[in-house]
Amino acid sequence: GQQLNQSPQSMFIQEGEDVSMNCTSSSIFNTWLWYKQDPGEGPVLLIALYKAGELTSNGRLTAQFGITRKDSFLNISASIPSDVGIYFCAGRYRSGNTGKLIFGQGTTLQVKP
Amino acid sequence: GAVVSQHPSRVICKSGTSVKIECRSLDFQATTMFWYRQFPKQSLMLMATSNEGSKATYEQGVEKDKFLINHASLTLSTLTVTSAHPEDSSFYICSASRAGGPYNEQFFGPGTRLTVL
Repeated sequence: GQQLNQSPQSMFIQEGEDVSMNCTSSSIFNTWLWYKQDPGEGPVLLIALYKAGELTSNGRLTAQFGITRKDSFLNISASIPSDVGIYFCAGRYRSGNTGKLIFGQGTTLQVKP
Repeated sequence: GAVVSQHPSRVICKSGTSVKIECRSLDFQATTMFWYRQFPKQSLMLMATSNEGSKATYEQGVEKDKFLINHASLTLSTLTVTSAHPEDSSFYICSASRAGGPYNEQFFGPGTRLTVL
């Protein structure tokens, strides 16, 4: 199936460092979402973006909906060990919550204490 | 709020048997539920979209006769893997969307690890 291009694939950083990851698509999306998945668990929603140019924060996390509506980034500031996990971007073509999501390949984050 | 549960959390079965996985929205009504499959070190791949009281919509390449989906109520959807084979071993995850409102997102269950021997 179709996927978004998410990068980087993995990151290994020192505790306290900032992290940035992004997703791009050849298609326009109406919604961008960022999820975190811990091993053996389902994804947990971190941030939802609904308007082009929108910049939203959730604690140390900040995400933006690209102006072209074809990309989004997620920043994590001052990383801590519990930030470890796999981060997925997801996009939706349709407005409303019933449209299906297209997921990126994921970014695996490892944080060294 | 917005808690989704799955049962069982893991299951091991013999090849040729059928396995049923339940997905429940515990504190909200979900008009739409989604079923995903995730292989190791890969992303989530949507299998089907399930609306309460109607037939599920399957993604291309997903066999509807093998993966039976029933969405009998606003809080329960089930996925039955029929005649399971080792290649069906995977992590199956459901999600649910709250009824109404444009900004109610998909909330995911904790997943079910299926191992077919």
